[in-house]
Amino acid sequence: AQTVTQSQPEMSVQEAETVTLSCTYDTSESDYYLFWYKQPPSRQMILVIRQEAYKQQNATENRFSVNFQKAAKSFSLKISDSQLGDAAMYFCAYWDPGTYKYIFGTGTRLKVLA
Amino acid sequence: KAGVTQTPRYLIKTRGQQVTLSCSPISGHRSVSWYQQTPGQGLQFLFEYFSETQRNKGNFPGRFSGRQFSNSRSEMNVSTLELGDSALYLCASSFLGGQGHQETQYFGPGTRLLVL
Repeated sequence: AQTVTQSQPEMSVQEAETVTLSCTYDTSESDYYLFWYKQPPSRQMILVIRQEAYKQQNATENRFSVNFQKAAKSFSLKISDSQLGDAAMYFCAYWDPGTYKYIFGTGTRLKVLA
Repeated sequence: KAGVTQTPRYLIKTRGQQVTLSCSPISGHRSVSWYQQTPGQGLQFLFEYFSETQRNKGNFPGRFSGRQFSNSRSEMNVSTLELGDSALYLCASSFLGGQGHQETQYFGPGTRLLVL
């Protein structure tokens, strides 16, 4: 069965610094999608970035970028120039093309220190 | 386009009662998924509906059920509520147009259920 693991329950970063959140997954599929979602204190889950497995180029969205290592089944999120508004719970998710099921990690709580 | 909407936003019930939560997906989206989020268990998948059919189901007891209407709106029902059902229930929608075609899942604001 596919699994998604986020080994860092909590991370802290100074404002304006860079932080990397880790995510590993397990799958036997070759074509799939990976996501990072952000859940701020308001609890609204917001898409941060998505990556198609067939694309070798790492996805970027403004200050957010990923390091996708397909062979290592690793999908880390880098946040540059961290802002106070980045403080949230971050979830890594995998989309299973065989079952159409999304599988979420347990989340990493990011604190941004002023 | 309007986002995913969920009603009600907050709900207080007592043990033994039943509850129905509603989710309206983004216009044009045909897939609706439901999740239960609790501090201890994280985000747990309940079920997914696509074109009025339940396509996926998580590991929840039969007290949890759902349905989807022809306009893609979905409802989930929890019967015989237990204290442990207190949680944030999230609904998410996506287009999922065809086999292998993936569209991003967008979430609603959630319904916070408190069971006393």
